[in-house]
Amino acid sequence: NAGVTQTPKFRVLKTGQSMTLLCAQDMNHEYMYWYRQDPGMGLRLIHYSVGEGTTAKGEVPDGYNVSRLKKQNFLLGLESAAPSQTSVYFCASTNSETQYFGPGTRLLVL
Amino acid sequence: GNSVTQMEGPVTLSEEAFLTINCTYTATGYPSLFWYVQYPGEGLQLLLKATKADDKGSNKGFEATYRKETTSFHLEKGSVQVSDSAVYFCALANAGGTSYGKLTFGQGTILTVHP
Repeated sequence: NAGVTQTPKFRVLKTGQSMTLLCAQDMNHEYMYWYRQDPGMGLRLIHYSVGEGTTAKGEVPDGYNVSRLKKQNFLLGLESAAPSQTSVYFCASTNSETQYFGPGTRLLVL
Repeated sequence: GNSVTQMEGPVTLSEEAFLTINCTYTATGYPSLFWYVQYPGEGLQLLLKATKADDKGSNKGFEATYRKETTSFHLEKGSVQVSDSAVYFCALANAGGTSYGKLTFGQGTILTVHP
């Protein structure tokens, strides 16, 4: 039981490049979330999903897209990366009161 | 909308000192309240929670009481250890007692404990 895993762990992009961050959970959770963590700002919700095939916008969705084609996976895409998207990205999932977090992906956009 | 405010950090303590990290919130209805902890290089882990007024959450020697009258959920520990060095986040979830809905986080407080 791996819990919540994220790939990659670290990535460097040039402005304008695209990439996809993968989140996978093996706990059969319905709800999944993508957050970004920036210094002094806590975690902010980017997008979330309440079930396979559904997604919704969070607090800071601009510049990101998501997909939930399979229940266990939640993908976060950056179509055209910008330096403002340099951050640490966390995925989380839940079926109850507690959200379970992945280890994070550190993204640097030059 | 919902908001969470934590005391400014960083906080630096000596081992066995008393810890308090203040957290106040603004929310409609009756949110659930949480403290999450993030150890260096890791994701967040739930430390404790409380789902209704006057509830006390506790875990690993940490405690926090849900105070509706002061809209607060302060984290305390009587004697900190070096291993408690981490970032602590206060958070709330939409009314209903679950975090199915979105979590709103405070900005985080960095705690460093020296031997």
